[in-house]
Amino acid sequence: EDQVTQSPEALRLQEGESSSLNCSYTVSGLRGLFWYRQDPGKGPEFLFTLYSAGEEKEKERLKATLTKKESFLHITAPKPEDSATYLCAVRPSGGYQKVTFGTGTKLQVIP
Amino acid sequence: GAVVSQHPSWVICKSGTSVKIECRSLDFQATTMFWYRQFPKQSLMLMATSNEGSKATYEQGVEKDKFLINHASLTLSTLTVTSAHPEDSSFYICSASLGVNTGELFFGEGSRLTVL
Repeated sequence: EDQVTQSPEALRLQEGESSSLNCSYTVSGLRGLFWYRQDPGKGPEFLFTLYSAGEEKEKERLKATLTKKESFLHITAPKPEDSATYLCAVRPSGGYQKVTFGTGTKLQVIP
Repeated sequence: GAVVSQHPSWVICKSGTSVKIECRSLDFQATTMFWYRQFPKQSLMLMATSNEGSKATYEQGVEKDKFLINHASLTLSTLTVTSAHPEDSSFYICSASLGVNTGELFFGEGSRLTVL
């Protein structure tokens, strides 16, 4: 069974204090690994897709990287508006499209 | 990215009544949509896969007679919670992907259901 574990569960940063969120995964062949941002009471907002080890993607202050067993979401010089829960998800290779989500990391950036 | 719209964003109902939630893909056609349920501080749990023109595929443990799914067109899927009870109170979110071979899902805004 596919598994996604995210750490830490919660992270509190001062504005400008860079850090990384971790997503460890176990999947029977990886079709794609996804990062989402979720604000309270909202649906997840798509951020990145990573397909193979060594791949990196960037968007503003966020950078996602991928290895064979884990992915990192690096946040550089975060701002209060980056406060949200960040979800990691994996989709296995094969015909069925079921995506497995982690429980997320709740990030709070303090001014 | 693709836009998925969900309605209503919140609903309060009495125990025993039925509630319908709509999910629309606004700028693309979605042959497949997915319905998730999310409890506080928990991950998104896939409830069912909705296929246009055919029956939905339900995940293990999800009552198909309780959660009726209809995918009447390429842009609309509906979830009806029948005879709702307080334990059905939750955050329901729909999603869709752009194609069979693309993995990323695009989510609606979610619907908060509270059953009194």
